[in-house]
Amino acid sequence: GESVGLHLPTLSVQEGDNSIINCAYSNSASDYFIWYKQESGKGPQFIIDIRSNMDKRQGQRVTVLLNKTVKHLSLQIAATQPGDSAVYFCAENRSGGYQKVTFGIGTKLQVIP
Amino acid sequence: GAVVSQHPSRVICKSGTSVKIECRSLDFQATTMFWYRQFPKQSLMLMATSNEGSKATYEQGVEKDKFLINHASLTLSTLTVTSAHPEDSSFYICSALPPGGYTFGSGTRLTVV
Repeated sequence: GESVGLHLPTLSVQEGDNSIINCAYSNSASDYFIWYKQESGKGPQFIIDIRSNMDKRQGQRVTVLLNKTVKHLSLQIAATQPGDSAVYFCAENRSGGYQKVTFGIGTKLQVIP
Repeated sequence: GAVVSQHPSRVICKSGTSVKIECRSLDFQATTMFWYRQFPKQSLMLMATSNEGSKATYEQGVEKDKFLINHASLTLSTLTVTSAHPEDSSFYICSALPPGGYTFGSGTRLTVV
């Protein structure tokens, strides 16, 4: 089934600490996963992606972990900064058919200075 | 990187009127574009997939006669909200898939009064 957003959970983190944002996806056929950051009143901004043949991928200050067994995705942000405050969405894409991206619920990250 | 330009960023219209939102790919050609709707504190919900030169594909529950999509060129897709009502007030976002990965427009805040 589709992942439907009904409310936004919030994660509060002290500046400088690491943040971990979790996401459960719904379709075992999904083979491409993306994390987006959305600031208030703006469109989603790409952060990092991972394909299903990997279980970990690292970027600058961010790491994505994929556990296909339990259909779980996480985004780790190192040394969280005030500018990281935003809503974070995981998204899944199913290859084959047309290329639509399905968004998860989203998590609001609040960084406490 | 690839840029998707969305216009207008904000629009207020009277109930019963129609509003057109434009989505342009600035430095790449997009045979497919996607239209999302986002209500406050909720996730992005895919409304339809816009296909250049052919009919759009609408998601279940989205009224195609109310949300008219035109994709007449490889760089422009438009979404027209016809006979808008207050419940259509939302944040509308388009996206496309250039070679580097999904790119989103900056969104259009529609308020129907």
